[in-house]
Amino acid sequence: QQPVQSPQAVILREGEDAVINCSSSKALYSVHWYRQKHGEAPVFLMILLKGGEQKGHEKISASFNEKKQQSSLYLTASQLSYSGTYFCGTENSGNTGKLIFGQGTTLQVKP
Amino acid sequence: GAGVSQSPSNKVTEKGKDVELRCDPISGHTALYWYRQSLGQGLEFLIYFQGNSAPDKSGLPSDRFSAERTGGSVSTLTIQRTQQEDSAVYLCASSLRSGSFFGPGTRLTVL
Repeated sequence: QQPVQSPQAVILREGEDAVINCSSSKALYSVHWYRQKHGEAPVFLMILLKGGEQKGHEKISASFNEKKQQSSLYLTASQLSYSGTYFCGTENSGNTGKLIFGQGTTLQVKP
Repeated sequence: GAGVSQSPSNKVTEKGKDVELRCDPISGHTALYWYRQSLGQGLEFLIYFQGNSAPDKSGLPSDRFSAERTGGSVSTLTIQRTQQEDSAVYLCASSLRSGSFFGPGTRLTVL
């Protein structure tokens, strides 16, 4: 039931791009993305609902492929502030609201 | 307040004692979650409240764990006869269907 994230860790140089994937074995209703910095609580980035929509927030965007039961988070021209652990939270079909998180992807952006 | 608050921020207890952790969600948010995060690990789902519906307790690790939500607002997570493996940060989040907002967490240390 827990979604699977890949890769587990990414190291980038400032300005490089990264993609983080989130896959579920069950049909999805929505996917939520969060970023957590060390010692802080997770912060909401965006939510994607079934229908294959794509959303963007500055240079961070995401897509949701309902058929493949997966979502991808795209970070372009990464900045030092992007460093942290990214979690996807999935809500299975049925619109129950219950969110289950993946194990996280640690992103480190170096100067 | 403007955000989710949790108390206490830190709790040190002896093995075998009971502890109560409190969460004050954002006013008007109908959904409330409890998650547990061990050092360097992901977000482990514990329990989910949605409005007046029966809570989803499927993530509670043992019958030593219980939670209630009074008046659709404040929630208390109780751990009885604490064990060392209960040591973790306990995070509460609330939501109104557009992304969840996390509290700062309670760091529980069981000696």
